This record gives sequence, C-alpha cells and structure tokens, in this order.
Amino acid sequence: DTAVSQTPKYLVTQMGNDKSIKCEQNLGHDTMYWYKQDSKKFLKIMFSYNNKELIINETVPNRFSPKSPDKAHLNLHINSLELGDSAVYFCASSQAASGRWEQYFGPGTRLTVT
Amino acid sequence: RKEVEQDPGPFNVPEGATVAFNCTYSNSASQSFFWYRQDCRKEPKLLMSVYSSGNEDGRFTAQLNRASQYISLLIRDSKLSDSATYLCVVDTGRRALTFGSGTRLQVQP
Repeated sequence: DTAVSQTPKYLVTQMGNDKSIKCEQNLGHDTMYWYKQDSKKFLKIMFSYNNKELIINETVPNRFSPKSPDKAHLNLHINSLELGDSAVYFCASSQAASGRWEQYFGPGTRLTVT
Repeated sequence: RKEVEQDPGPFNVPEGATVAFNCTYSNSASQSFFWYRQDCRKEPKLLMSVYSSGNEDGRFTAQLNRASQYISLLIRDSKLSDSATYLCVVDTGRRALTFGSGTRLQVQP
C-alpha cells in the first residue's frame, strides 16, 4: 500500500536515448510534482500538475516533457538524454485543495547517463 | 540571496545531546513551513510542520520567527537513528515548496 510509487528505481542509459519515468499516488491528492536532486543534493522543482493541469514549469530544457493522464499519475519523458541529466528524480504529491502544502515523496529514480 | 538558507554542517553530536538547526528564508509572503528529513539514498520525509506559535512532537521542537524570517528545529536526547540530513522547507506562494540544501546530522555512540 505504497503511497507514492515510481518506476523504475534505477535507470542506466546512454547519451542520446529517450526514457520515461512513471509515478503513481494512491493518496487521493490533487497535485503532483517532479523534482531533480543532483550530486550536490540540492532538490529543485521541475514541474507541478494540479488536476491534470500544468501549473509550474520551471526552467527545464524542453527535452523534458511531463504528462498527467489522470490525477493519480504523472509521468516524465526525457528525450536525447545528456550526461548532465544524471541525477535522482523524485515524484511527490500533495492535497493543495485543502490548503495544506505538505508533500509526500516517492522513493526516487536514480538516472545514470553514460 | 538563496530562497532558503541552511548551515550544511555536518553537526557531529554524541547520543543524548541536544542539537539545534536554523534556517532563514527570503520570501516574506511565505505562509507554510516544514522540516523534512532525508536519509542517505532515500526520499525526503515530512518530519513536522512549523506553526507560528511553535510546536513540539516528542523530542522535536520547531519554532518560527516571521519578523526575522527564521525557522529552527531542536532535537533533544539525540538518538543514533536521528542521523540524517534535515531539510528546511518553505512555500513559494506559487503553490510550490522551496527546499533548503539541508543540514547533515551525525549522532555518535
């Protein structure tokens, strides 16, 4: 009964490839997020979706494309992977409609680009 | 100026010690404040919300000073299992949270 799950947990791929990461939450939350945590451990928001609508799109290369098929899912597709994309990607969710901003995180996807 | 600033540490303390972490934030419009804990190679986990009046949860006490834009976390009677990175988190006013870079705590036997 994992609250926020991500697949895959580890992803090793070569430069230039295209890959996707999937995220699902069973908390009934209305908002989902993607974060990137680099080697310096700094956690930075990339995207946020509220009820399937994109509400935050930080300065992220357009090789990154999020997609939210429904409120419980938020996927991240990355085209033409580069070495600098190597990081841990975390999905999170919150119930923004309640005015509470606590976010709950998935276990992360460790992406290594070689 | 960074939106959320924390001393990276590490703080090395013996078991049973009391340790305090501080954090400052730059957005005076922020309304929600949290402390998260992140263990090595794991996801951040919510430790506690921080309320204006200050709040306590067992050995953990959080304080907020809006005038100085300052948040603190006090851990009493440190346990080995408290060793982790503690992230100060503030809402941006844009339906998002900004995370500090974290303060590393190492509790030693």
